Amino acid sequence: KQEVTQIPAALSVPEGENLVLNCSFTDSAIYNLQWFRQDPGKGLTSLLLIQSSQREQTSGRLNASLDKSSGRSTLYIAASQPGDSATYLCAVRGSGGSQGNLIFGKGTKLSVKP
Amino acid sequence: GAGVSQSPSNKVTEKGKDVELRCDPISGHTALYWYRQRLGQGLEFLIYFQGNSAPDKSGLPSDRFSAERTGESVSTLTIQRTQQEDSAVYLCASSLGGGRIPGELFFGEGSRLTVL
Repeated sequence: KQEVTQIPAALSVPEGENLVLNCSFTDSAIYNLQWFRQDPGKGLTSLLLIQSSQREQTSGRLNASLDKSSGRSTLYIAASQPGDSATYLCAVRGSGGSQGNLIFGKGTKLSVKP
Repeated sequence: GAGVSQSPSNKVTEKGKDVELRCDPISGHTALYWYRQRLGQGLEFLIYFQGNSAPDKSGLPSDRFSAERTGESVSTLTIQRTQQEDSAVYLCASSLGGGRIPGELFFGEGSRLTVL
């Protein structure tokens, strides 16, 4: 059964710092992995989607990497800004099972202090 | 439409009443998901549609909860005889394909339900 873990659960950094959020999964048989951000009281916004054949994806100050064999993904945020404060979730789409094969982590709550 | 649309955005109801929440997925998206998110909590899977069939409804918390989908379009989540513990944000998402066909997931803004 696929399990997705995000560490740390919460993170507070000063503005301008580079940071890394971690996502690990137990079953490496995945099709893709997606990173989202969620602002308080809002829905989820898709940030990056990495297909299983890819090693990384970049969008602006965000870079997501995927190491399927070790069951890990990282989301790197460069030059963090207060507007980056949100909860970041990763979701893994697997090759079998229920829930449309989509399993979410519990998220990392990021706070960027001015 | 351009994105996933959910209505109502906010609903306040009295305990014991029935509510219907609506989701309009992105046009052409065959997969549709419903999640529940209680205050300060993570996403709780409810049900997944592929087209108008629901291969997985294992997350529906009780028989008071039901959902249907018309073709590959609108879905309605119905909660009968609402209870205070049903208070949450109900999130809908859609993607191209589902099951073994990978696709990027797009979420609506959610419907916030408050049961008094």
